[in-house]
Amino acid sequence: AQTVTQSQPEMSVQEAETVTLSCTYDTSESDYYLFWYKQPPSRQMILVIRQEAYKQQNATENRFSVNFQKAAKSFSLKISDSQLGDAAMYFCAYRNELNFGNEKLTFGTGTRLTIIP
Amino acid sequence: EAGVTQFPSHSVIEKGQTVTLRCDPISGHDNLYWYRRVMGKEIKFLLHFVKESKQDESGMPNNRFLAERTGGTYSTLKVQPAELEDSGVYFCASSQARGNIQYFGAGTRLSVL
Repeated sequence: AQTVTQSQPEMSVQEAETVTLSCTYDTSESDYYLFWYKQPPSRQMILVIRQEAYKQQNATENRFSVNFQKAAKSFSLKISDSQLGDAAMYFCAYRNELNFGNEKLTFGTGTRLTIIP
Repeated sequence: EAGVTQFPSHSVIEKGQTVTLRCDPISGHDNLYWYRRVMGKEIKFLLHFVKESKQDESGMPNNRFLAERTGGTYSTLKVQPAELEDSGVYFCASSQARGNIQYFGAGTRLSVL
């Protein structure tokens, strides 16, 4: 079974600075997807960024980028120029390559990010 | 376009009572998923509907939990009778097709006293 580990329960960063959230995973599969979701307080959880395992290039979405190290099974999220609106719970998630009936996401325990003004 | 909506946002019940959570997926999304986060732990998969059919219910913890999706639109998750360990946040997600991005709701926080 796949597992996802987020070893930082809480992180804080000064506004406008850069922060990196860690995520490691364990799987025996070679094809899969990795995700970072964020949930602001009492709001919907939204997708931040997605990475396909077969792609060597790291995914980037504006101020958000990942460092995907397939051999090390590591998938960290870097937030540049942190803004107050980035304060949220961040969850790392894994999903197998699409198999019939296997659609579930496997999540880590989350990292609560605080932005210091 | 409205996102995934969940009702209620918070429910407080006593042990032994029944609670029903509701999820309205994004219109046109055939796939609907339920997840649960208990006591600050990881979010865990409960089950997956394709339209009104249960595609995967491997994560359902026991027979006190009953999920339905009559007509393939909204879904309900009933817990009967509720136990203390059922407390947590229940998330619903939907996707348009298999393998597409799952869009989540804000969750329902269930507190069983």
